Amino acid sequence: DAGVIQSPRHEVTEMGQEVTLRCKPISGHNSLFWYRQTMMRGLELLIYFNNNVPIDDSGMPEDRFSAKMPNASFSTLKIQPSEPRDSAVYFCATSPSGGHYEQYFGPGTRLTVT
Amino acid sequence: AQTVTQSQPEMSVQEAETVTLSCTYDTSESDYYLFWYKQPPSRQMILVIRQEAYKQQNATENRFSVNFQKAAKSFSLKISDSQLGDAAMYFCAYRNLNTGTASKLTFGTGTRLQVTL
Repeated sequence: DAGVIQSPRHEVTEMGQEVTLRCKPISGHNSLFWYRQTMMRGLELLIYFNNNVPIDDSGMPEDRFSAKMPNASFSTLKIQPSEPRDSAVYFCATSPSGGHYEQYFGPGTRLTVT
Repeated sequence: AQTVTQSQPEMSVQEAETVTLSCTYDTSESDYYLFWYKQPPSRQMILVIRQEAYKQQNATENRFSVNFQKAAKSFSLKISDSQLGDAAMYFCAYRNLNTGTASKLTFGTGTRLQVTL
């Protein structure tokens, strides 16, 4: 199993540009979570999906952030327009519906907005 | 709302020694899971160990074990025979079982563990 796949691993962009982060979940996992990690705020849950449906997006910081899960094997997190305060590591994690409910994390995308 | 508290921002242990990382949580639920995740410098979040709240027996995974005190809402992680590769940030996390299959994890703020020779 390849694990959770995230791309790109690193992204450097200028303020005002659109940024799209991508996640491919582990096959068979039907819950997907997007987290943001910064030194100041730690790990924050942004949004999560169950069976491709957004369940809770209360962690999305503002309207500049949007997330989609068009099918069971792909999700995107988009920031438009990006700002320097969006610089962080963004993690995607997935979880099976049964079992012990732990989440399996991807390697993260380090985003730097200049 | 559930909260998870890790009161030790940093800990240090000598190689081959034992160290205990503390975690407390607050919940009104009776059914839940608790986890410890490790985040080495590579940033990858790795599951170390999990504990089901309904189990009285403390979970153990090789050199890693927990001391789960449900009444005290305490969930500490013990690392025995510490190795240099154990140096990482350790996060305690809580998951409620009673809110459907896609319940979020609530994380503590982490404890940075240094391992010295």
